[in-house]
Amino acid sequence: AQSVTQLGSHVSVSEGALVLLRCNYSSSVPPYLFWYVQYPNQGLQLLLKYTSAATLVKGINGFEAEFKKSETSFHLTKPSAHMSDAAEYFCAVSVDTGFQKLVFGTGTRLLVSP
Amino acid sequence: DTGVSQDPRHKITKRGQNVTFRCDPISEHNRLYWYRQTLGQGPEFLTYFQNEAQLEKSRLLSDRFSAERPKGSFSTLEIQRTEQGDSAMYLCASSLVGSEQYFGPGTRLTVT
Repeated sequence: AQSVTQLGSHVSVSEGALVLLRCNYSSSVPPYLFWYVQYPNQGLQLLLKYTSAATLVKGINGFEAEFKKSETSFHLTKPSAHMSDAAEYFCAVSVDTGFQKLVFGTGTRLLVSP
Repeated sequence: DTGVSQDPRHKITKRGQNVTFRCDPISEHNRLYWYRQTLGQGPEFLTYFQNEAQLEKSRLLSDRFSAERPKGSFSTLEIQRTEQGDSAMYLCASSLVGSEQYFGPGTRLTVT
């Protein structure tokens, strides 16, 4: 069965600093990978997705992620954090082309200080 | 495109009562999903529909849970004889076949 592991339940950065949120996946077949963001009391918003085209995926709000098969990783980065980036971030995996079922990690809360 | 909507946003109920939640997907989306999210955890898949057919149910969906999508549009999720362990955020998502899922704001259930 597929799964994802997000290292670090909380990550703190200063405004303007690099954001790095880690996600490692486990899958016996080529996965489809997603990053979602959740603001307080809101649903999840898709940041970006990997569907086996380019290994470096660019998303919204300046975020990007790189698929590394050798490391089974899909880490999320942003060169310069903004206060508005403070939220909960979830990595998710699906192994079917229809994305019928997403399996989520436990999430990483990003804290941004001035 | 008005997004996925869910009603109610919050529900407080006493243990043993039945509750029903509604989800209205994005209008042209033929797939609809239900997830449950407990505090400090990521969402967990419960079930999904393609049009009006319920195609997969998680083992998390006990006999007390039932979901319907009668005309392939909106969906309802009913929990009978609620238990304190049912307290969670219930998220609905919709999509086109083979496309990413769009999530609603969720219904937060508190069972006292």
